[in-house]
Amino acid sequence: GAGVSQSPSNKVTEKGKDVELRCDPISGHTALYWYRQSLGQGLEFLIYFQGNSAPDKSGLPSDRFSAERTGGSVSTLTIQRTQQEDSAVYLCASSLVSLAVTDTQYFGPGTRLTVL
Amino acid sequence: GEDVEQSLFLSVREGDSSVINCTYTDSSSTYLYWYKQEPGAGLQLLTYIFSNMDMKQDQRLTVLLNKKDKHLSLRIADTQTGDSAIYFCAEVLHGSSNTGKLIFGQGTTLQVKP
Repeated sequence: GAGVSQSPSNKVTEKGKDVELRCDPISGHTALYWYRQSLGQGLEFLIYFQGNSAPDKSGLPSDRFSAERTGGSVSTLTIQRTQQEDSAVYLCASSLVSLAVTDTQYFGPGTRLTVL
Repeated sequence: GEDVEQSLFLSVREGDSSVINCTYTDSSSTYLYWYKQEPGAGLQLLTYIFSNMDMKQDQRLTVLLNKKDKHLSLRIADTQTGDSAIYFCAEVLHGSSNTGKLIFGQGTTLQVKP
């Protein structure tokens, strides 16, 4: 597609439920990133995928968070047993080639998650 | 360590120049970025500068980089009400475990008064 797309745009869930957030990167981009934007923590890196390499999960805040990227394209971020502190905007970004110096990241519109 | 600092708020009058400042700590950063976020929207890439450059100009935007002091600034000439947004400075880390990871500042809210 023309840009990074994310769905849903808004998600309201009850504490303890699982949620799945989806990201469609720009066609041909091999690198995909998830970030979280919250009032208290600003913009934080969560996880990064590059081609078939093992993902960098160093930013995931707890083992309730996981992500996968199927077929090197679409990615799903899953949060299990959601907590109120998980409420945030989850942003996805993609870039053409992560190992090159010009790997500018392009962001999607984000998914606003509200945990009641 | 990895840390990017920005002032939180800037208010200017329409037509004036705006200067948003940023400091970073990782001297190995190869690229430094400015992103713009309008209310309810995602992050829009404004411009970037390579670490061996001192200045980059793109229409109304001028980026200045002082690598010795690890100081980055974004100047917006002839600021318009449509420039009102949050501006994020970011550095990118390259390495075996954190390739391409962006470290963001807290964001500077720019308010443009008519």
